[in-house]
Amino acid sequence: EAAVTQSPRNKVTVTGGNVTLSCRQTNSHNYMYWYRQDTGHGLRLIHYSYGAGNLQIGDVPDGYKATRTTQEDFFLLLELASPSQTSLYFCASSETGRDTLYFGAGTRLSVL
Amino acid sequence: QQQVRQSPQSLTVWEGETAILNCSYEDSTFNYFPWYQQFPGEGPALLISIRSVSDKKEDGRFTIFFNKREKKLSLHITDSQPGDSATYFCAGHTGGYKVVFGSGTRLLVSP
Repeated sequence: EAAVTQSPRNKVTVTGGNVTLSCRQTNSHNYMYWYRQDTGHGLRLIHYSYGAGNLQIGDVPDGYKATRTTQEDFFLLLELASPSQTSLYFCASSETGRDTLYFGAGTRLSVL
Repeated sequence: QQQVRQSPQSLTVWEGETAILNCSYEDSTFNYFPWYQQFPGEGPALLISIRSVSDKKEDGRFTIFFNKREKKLSLHITDSQPGDSATYFCAGHTGGYKVVFGSGTRLLVSP
């Protein structure tokens, strides 16, 4: 079964702060994704990648950068955090981009 | 633009009853519909899925009914158990990278 590990699990920062969320998957999946989850909106795709060095823009990319350094590691960067980015963030992976998503346990981010 | 809608937002049933969760979509190119189950403090996990060539998919106590003409689906959970209490997300998939999630139904099964 796919293993996706996110860190940190919880993060508090101030408006304008710098935040990096980390994700590692250990099942050699090609695709990795960053979603945010907000009440009333379900899960919304921020960025995704289909391999090391690749980055694709999702549906709600404003204010976020991402980088895929290896096949295993995918990072989400908030360089000037705003209160609107307070959310629950999930990383996910999938083998082909056409099949099951395997999610991490999430990172809860609060921007004060 | 929300292309996948779920109802109700929350649902409470008694243990042993059948819970019915509804989903509708707009994009006629969707051909695959996974349902994800999420427990508090965890990420979503695939529960059951159906492809648009089928009208029904069963897996134990969980059944998806699919009406392509009306662009509607429903997830039936028979003999509901307290352990089924979770949030359920319906999603639409075109076969490419993009999965569109509904806003979820929070199910509570009371003993």
